[in-house]
Amino acid sequence: NAGVTQTPKFRILKIGQSMTLQCTQDMNHNYMYWYRQDPGMGLKLIYYSVGAGITDKGEVPNGYNVSRSTTEDFPLRLELAAPSQTSVYFCASSYGGENEQYFGPGTRLTVT
Amino acid sequence: GENVEQHPSTLSVQEGDSAVIKCTYSDSASNYFPWYKQELGKRPQLIIDIRSNVGEKKDQRIAVTLNKTAKHFSLHITETQPEDSAVYFCAASSNDYKLSFGAGTTVTVRA
Repeated sequence: NAGVTQTPKFRILKIGQSMTLQCTQDMNHNYMYWYRQDPGMGLKLIYYSVGAGITDKGEVPNGYNVSRSTTEDFPLRLELAAPSQTSVYFCASSYGGENEQYFGPGTRLTVT
Repeated sequence: GENVEQHPSTLSVQEGDSAVIKCTYSDSASNYFPWYKQELGKRPQLIIDIRSNVGEKKDQRIAVTLNKTAKHFSLHITETQPEDSAVYFCAASSNDYKLSFGAGTTVTVRA
């Protein structure tokens, strides 16, 4: 099993550009999450999904959108990138809401 | 929503000594408390978790204690080794199944 995979690993965006961060898991987990981690800080939840077709906002959803058309994939869309979105983005998945979350390797995004 | 506070933010210990990290949470409905370890440049990984019906859990050199009345839980690492150097995050989950993370503790084990 590959676990949770994310692409790209690194990306530099100009202000106002858009991009999609890809996340795929092969563990047949229902729950998937997107977090951002700013330097020296903890993980902030952006969006989460409890199953295909169901998504909900986390703590810091502004400037982001998600979709969950399949169990395996949970892409994160950034529209009109801003410097405040410079961060490391982690995708995670779990069997249930109170089970171990498995994290992807992260995407380091810089907006200049 | 849930608010998790974690202390200390940095911790330096001599190899072989113990390390203790403490967290408090605000939502009395929280019932799942995991701890994650993140090595430099790596992804967070679960090291131990505890549920609200248990007061203490141990796995080799690491243990977690939970005091639901006081709404705090702690991570204890005994006989620390250089490979224990990392950032440790506590988290709490409420009924909505979202994890709220603490800000992290950077642990440095001195040889």
